Amino acid sequence: ETGVTQSPTHLIKTRGQQVTLRCSSQSGHNTVSWYQQALGQGPQFIFQYYREEENGRGNFPPRFSGLQFPNYSSELNVNALELDDSALYLCASSPAAGGGAWETQYFGPGTRLLVL
Amino acid sequence: AQSVTQLDSHVSVSEGTPVLLRCNYSSSYSPSLFWYVQHPNKGLQLLLKYTSAATLVKGINGFEAEFKKSETSFHLTKPSAHMSDAAEYFCVVINTGGFKTIFGAGTRLFVKA
Repeated sequence: ETGVTQSPTHLIKTRGQQVTLRCSSQSGHNTVSWYQQALGQGPQFIFQYYREEENGRGNFPPRFSGLQFPNYSSELNVNALELDDSALYLCASSPAAGGGAWETQYFGPGTRLLVL
Repeated sequence: AQSVTQLDSHVSVSEGTPVLLRCNYSSSYSPSLFWYVQHPNKGLQLLLKYTSAATLVKGINGFEAEFKKSETSFHLTKPSAHMSDAAEYFCVVINTGGFKTIFGAGTRLFVKA
């Protein structure tokens, strides 16, 4: 069974650019959540997707957007990059129907984004 | 509103001695609580979870945590630390039926030989 994978592993962008990060869910999982982890901090919830629809969102501006595909893989898009967007971006999948709290989230290794 | 406070940013123990990592939470609803561990350059791994069953929860690698509603606490313990336990630990809360996952700021555990 393949775990959660993310690509790319590292990325360098300049301020104002746009970036797309990708995540492949663990087999059988239909829910994907995205997190931003700044250096020395805990992950911050960005949003969650369930069956291709956004199921909930944290306190992130609209320039953070996402997609979930029929195979439950997902993308995180960030427009107009700012220096503060530099962070580790984590994707997590779970088998929860609608994001039930009782389900464990399985995390990918993350994509480290540096904005210059 | 829900929140998580990890009371110690760093904890240092000697190998073979007990570990205590403290977590307090605030939740308007019955929460589900989790502890995750993050080793350097590795993904987050679930240690254990509480979902309104037994208040004492046993996890992997000898860790356990006790849910105390009256104290709104969910402290993580291990009787005997091992060098391989050195990592960052996160306490996490999710409201039952909700989707928003709240992580604490993390506790860095150092284990001395």
